[in-house]
Amino acid sequence: DAKTTQPNSMESNEEEPVHLPCNHSTISGTDYIHWYRQLPSQGPEYVIHGLTSNVNNRMASLAIAEDRKSSTLILHRATLRDAAVYYCILRAALYAGGTSYGKLTFGQGTILTVHP
Amino acid sequence: KAGVTQTPRYLIKTRGQQVTLSCSPISGHRSVSWYQQTPGQGLQFLFEYFSETQRNKGNFPGRFSGRQFSNSRSEMNVSTLELGDSALYLCASSVSGSGANVLTFGAGSRLTVL
Repeated sequence: DAKTTQPNSMESNEEEPVHLPCNHSTISGTDYIHWYRQLPSQGPEYVIHGLTSNVNNRMASLAIAEDRKSSTLILHRATLRDAAVYYCILRAALYAGGTSYGKLTFGQGTILTVHP
Repeated sequence: KAGVTQTPRYLIKTRGQQVTLSCSPISGHRSVSWYQQTPGQGLQFLFEYFSETQRNKGNFPGRFSGRQFSNSRSEMNVSTLELGDSALYLCASSVSGSGANVLTFGAGSRLTVL
């Protein structure tokens, strides 16, 4: 399974930008990079995803390295509500039978603490 | 539109019993995947279904099984429960399971085995 590596924890102050890194050196050419976050006692929530180009949405931005072996989730202005565990995962684009399609591997994620 | 619905939200069982958990995906979503989350092991993939077919399975014993119905609703079953099966069981749905699609998770079913 394609795996990702993230720092165990990061801290930020409210209203400041946060850059959450993720390494995925074994990424294949058809793997999408997805980010989800999980608040206590809730299911994970979608944040953003991309394939090759940088992506922006109302929640965050995703910066993908040119060789696609790493990516960075950017929260432009952290709020207390952004405190969560952030997971970076790889998802195959196409089903080709017998592959790891759909078999997601979650690492331990990054615990983000936001200080008031 | 309605999100992913998991039932029951909480349940308590004793060792040796079996349990069935249900997941109703978002309308139009045909892929459903299941995960076990424990404090020690984190989120672990159980299985993924698409159009009533299991396409992939994680490294869990045969006591863990699942199925998907023609309306895309899915159930998972755990037989002969063990204390270590206590966990939050999450399901997620997506349009087709492709990485181009977003995964939407349910709130989970929290199982406690006594």
